[in-house]
This record gives sequence, C-alpha cells and structure tokens, in this order.
Amino acid sequence: RKEVEQDPGPFNVPEGATVAFNCTYSNSASQSFFWYRQDCRKEPKLLMSVYSSGNEDGRFTAQLNRASQYISLLIRDSKLSDSATYLCVVISDSNYQLIWGAGTKLIIKP
Amino acid sequence: GAGVSQSPSNKVTEKGKDVELRCDPISGHTALYWYRQRLGQGLEFLIYFQGNSAPDKSGLPSDRFSAERTGESVSTLTIQRTQQEDSAVYLCASSHGQTLGLHEQYFGPGTRLTVT
Repeated sequence: RKEVEQDPGPFNVPEGATVAFNCTYSNSASQSFFWYRQDCRKEPKLLMSVYSSGNEDGRFTAQLNRASQYISLLIRDSKLSDSATYLCVVISDSNYQLIWGAGTKLIIKP
Repeated sequence: GAGVSQSPSNKVTEKGKDVELRCDPISGHTALYWYRQRLGQGLEFLIYFQGNSAPDKSGLPSDRFSAERTGESVSTLTIQRTQQEDSAVYLCASSHGQTLGLHEQYFGPGTRLTVT
C-alpha cells in the first residue's frame, strides 16, 4: 500500500458545481497535511494547509479525518480556472519527510 | 523578492553524458529539496538538504545521482552517464526549515531533461 494515495481522476465537473476528493495516508503518526495545486507543465504551489479543526479559504475547504486517515478538499462554485492537478502532502513524525500523493486531476467544463 | 530559480530550463543530452542541474533557493531558506517528475506522474522525492548537509538521500535512484549544496544556498544535482529513463522534469523547492508549521515549499520552474 502506498503511503499516500489519491484517486488520479480525471474528475470532469461542470462549472459552478461542487467537487470533493480525498487523500488517504497510511502512517497514523503523520502530523501535518497540505494541499498543493499544480497546473499543467508548471511547478506545484501551496493551496492550503489542513488543520485538525478544518480549514476554509473562500470556495475551498480542507478537512482532516484522523480516525479514517484521510484528508479531503472541497471546492464550491467551481471555476474554469480551478482546472489543475491537486496534490496532497503528508509530513511524517520525523518533521521533515514530506510524502507526496500522485495527484488528482480536475477538469472544469463550461 | 526573487523566488526559486533553476537552470537550465531545458536540457537535451545524449545517453551516457553527464549533466548538472542548478537550483538557487529563496534567500534565507535553510531547507532545500530535489524532486523528479515524469510526464503524467507525481513528484518523486530525491534528496533533502538542511543547510549544507543532506540527512535524507534515500530518494536518489542510483549511484549515478549525486547532489551537493554550498554556502547554505545554491545546490547542484549531477546525473552521471545519463540514461533515457532519466528523462523528466527535475524540480527544486526550498522552505524555511524543519520546524513544524514552516513546511510551505516554494518550487522553482524546473529543469526539463531529455536524454536521447
């Protein structure tokens, strides 16, 4: 089993819809979690951190479920510009080792 | 301020040649990471530097790969005797350091390596 797993997609979603996807992790001692966004042929950029209490930033909501060992990303009122690959990152208890998921591809259609 | 820069942006080399890739991190960032990303694939961790030392080299795929960092700044990734499977985008990222909560990584634009 991979340490961090994501559904590769693609998720094809109409503009304006709500979409959510998950990222599961295997190390129960993992401490920190992040969502990054990567546009086609571009470098990844931090989208948001995932806190135990959840985190909301505009149309984006990230949540952590420690019991089931997954994090989620919800995008409301999706825009064409949201089309990208969304990467989750999990930091192990060693504090510096970042484990990256392979990404979920999202395509927003007009 | 300036972000992470990498050079060259593109490199085409013949199989068997050595290549050197360069990364200039954000000034003051003590942590530096190298990743490899093959087309359509996720990020593959290669090596991590804290200052000039590399506590984690576990991701280097073979002894043809090596990296160094000097002056807690510039890092070079060297691939000797390149093979076609080395073709990928090599991404460098830097961050403030190890402290939990300071893990936001800033990525450079990458070096696209093509081995013919």
